[in-house]
Amino acid sequence: AQTVTQSQPEMSVQEAETVTLSCTYDTSESDYYLFWYKQPPSRQMILVIRQEAYKQQNATENRFSVNFQKAAKSFSLKISDSQLGDAAMYFCAYRSAKDKIIFGKGTRLHILP
Amino acid sequence: DSGVTQTPKHLITATGQRVTLRCSPRSGDLSVYWYQQSLDQGLQFLIQYYNGEERAKGNILERFSAQQFPDLHSELNLSSLELGDSALYFCASSVGLAGQGVQYFGPGTRLTVL
Repeated sequence: AQTVTQSQPEMSVQEAETVTLSCTYDTSESDYYLFWYKQPPSRQMILVIRQEAYKQQNATENRFSVNFQKAAKSFSLKISDSQLGDAAMYFCAYRSAKDKIIFGKGTRLHILP
Repeated sequence: DSGVTQTPKHLITATGQRVTLRCSPRSGDLSVYWYQQSLDQGLQFLIQYYNGEERAKGNILERFSAQQFPDLHSELNLSSLELGDSALYFCASSVGLAGQGVQYFGPGTRLTVL
């Protein structure tokens, strides 16, 4: 069965600095998709970034980028120029081409002014 | 705004009661998913419907059931409620079945069982 592990329950970063959130997963599938979702205090789940496993190029969305290491089954999220509005719970998620989506337990990110 | 709507926003009820949560997917999305998020927990997948048919089941209790109607809206029915059922229930929708379909989440329904 597929699993998603986020080993950092909480992290803090100074405003304007860069922070990296870790995520590892386990799967025997070759075709799958990886996501990072953000859940701010409002509890709304917001898609941050998506990565297709067949793409070697790392996905980027403005200040958010990923480091996708397929062989190592690692999918970390880098947030550059951290802003106060980035404070949230971040969930890593895995979805195979034919299966349900599996979420990690989340990393709570604090932004220090 | 994701385009997914959920009603009600909040629901307070007593143990043993039954409630219905409603979800309307984004326009054009055929798949609907239900998730449960207990306090400070990750999301637990409950069930998925695609164009009216059940497609996948997760950790859904027998006391819970769901359906997707011809207009594609979905309802999650929770019965014989227990204190431990208090949680945030999310609905998400995506265009199709396959993994590349990004799931867009509704704002959630907060259920409190007293």
